[in-house]
Amino acid sequence: SYELTQPPSVSVSPGQTARITCSGDALPKKYAYWYQQKSGQAPVLVIYEDSKRPSGIPERFSGSSSGTMATLTISGAQVEDEADYYCYSADSSGNQMVFGGGTKLTVL
Amino acid sequence: EVQLVESGGGLVQPGGSLRLSCVASGFTFSDHWMTWVRQAPEKGLEWVANINQDGSEKYYVDSVKGRFTISRDSAKNSLYLQMDSLRAEDTAIYYCARGYCSGGGCSRSPEHWGQGTLLTVSS
Repeated sequence: SYELTQPPSVSVSPGQTARITCSGDALPKKYAYWYQQKSGQAPVLVIYEDSKRPSGIPERFSGSSSGTMATLTISGAQVEDEADYYCYSADSSGNQMVFGGGTKLTVL
Repeated sequence: EVQLVESGGGLVQPGGSLRLSCVASGFTFSDHWMTWVRQAPEKGLEWVANINQDGSEKYYVDSVKGRFTISRDSAKNSLYLQMDSLRAEDTAIYYCARGYCSGGGCSRSPEHWGQGTLLTVSS
């Protein structure tokens, strides 16, 4: 079955840039999506279609995709950005969806 | 305001059945793909199933194929997940989520999420 691979954890100091990667063989042809999940809460969409930001999401969140890797970048990370981040995409058929394993972002 | 409210979770014995429901409001239900996602305790998110706008397309993760059935009722603005032959590994919070629509059309990828309902499978 198709898999998306993320690093388990990323740690930055406040104000630094955090980058979270997601690798998958179908990413050259399928969009990547990114979700933020804070403890005890439902996930929130922060990036869709590789690089688009939903309304209400701060500009410090950005996304990119190149080849088999998608990247979520948080420029000037804030303490309130501490959360688990999940990438999401489809396999080559477009019908089987999958989440990456998640990355715990620590900002301290 | 988009609202998704899940219900139907609870404690079920292995091999049992349960139906989850999700009532939607604040948008035109029949315009959107709908998805079920689950999260086992202290684990990551797992896509379970999704269904297109008129119910003619349904897709499932391999681990639930043949056991779970996703459906929708536009007259009731409701999404369902019928779960049979339940196993301990199905224990999770189950989230209902709505796909987004943009200028390019409507996508199956989730935008809005409910708060989830907890299913526990245990004897």
